[in-house]
Amino acid sequence: DTGVSQDPRHKITKRGQNVTFRCDPISEHNRLYWYRQTLGQGPEFLTYFQNEAQLEKSRLLSDRFSAERPKGSFSTLEIQRTEQGDSAMYLCASSQGWGGQETQYFGPGTRLLVL
Amino acid sequence: DAKTTQPPSMDCAEGRAANLPCNHSTISGNEYVYWYRQIHSQGPQYIIHGLKNNETNEMASLIITEDRKSSTLILPHATLRDTAVYYCIVRANAGGTSYGKLTFGQGTILTVHP
Repeated sequence: DTGVSQDPRHKITKRGQNVTFRCDPISEHNRLYWYRQTLGQGPEFLTYFQNEAQLEKSRLLSDRFSAERPKGSFSTLEIQRTEQGDSAMYLCASSQGWGGQETQYFGPGTRLLVL
Repeated sequence: DAKTTQPPSMDCAEGRAANLPCNHSTISGNEYVYWYRQIHSQGPQYIIHGLKNNETNEMASLIITEDRKSSTLILPHATLRDTAVYYCIVRANAGGTSYGKLTFGQGTILTVHP
């Protein structure tokens, strides 16, 4: 068990470019979450998957954002036409189980800087 | 999910116990109390969670009051590496499709000094 991994760890892009982040959850975890964290704030929920189904999306997830989890394993988060306000840490977490048995484990995050 | 209130910052001497309080006066019967911490520039790290009984693991102890309106996270022997932002989160344990997400507040910045 190597934990949740995210790639890349850092990304610098120019405004208007598209970026894609990848998250590899802990093996056999059926739930996968994406959060965004801006400087000085706690993480904010973006979306989550149960297996390959995307069950909830936050209002923070504008139409420039899209997330996928093909085959219920790794997930990708794409941001199209990036804006400076997209600069943040993007965190992925995975979990399994239900109710009080569910604990989310976070990856190290991808730090995005939009110039 | 119920809202939580934590002090913005706390200090603790190395080797002493760190007691981090959290108020969650609107907590519902099916909501758990979770604690995470985040060391600078890293992803949040799970610490402990509980429903109504006190809990202890290798990292910390969680004391929940009988009325469940507040809780305290205890780090028994704080070290410099425990310096981090500590988040207290209340989350429903079942129901609907959205119960899984965690709602983070501002947390408590714990500084452990020599």
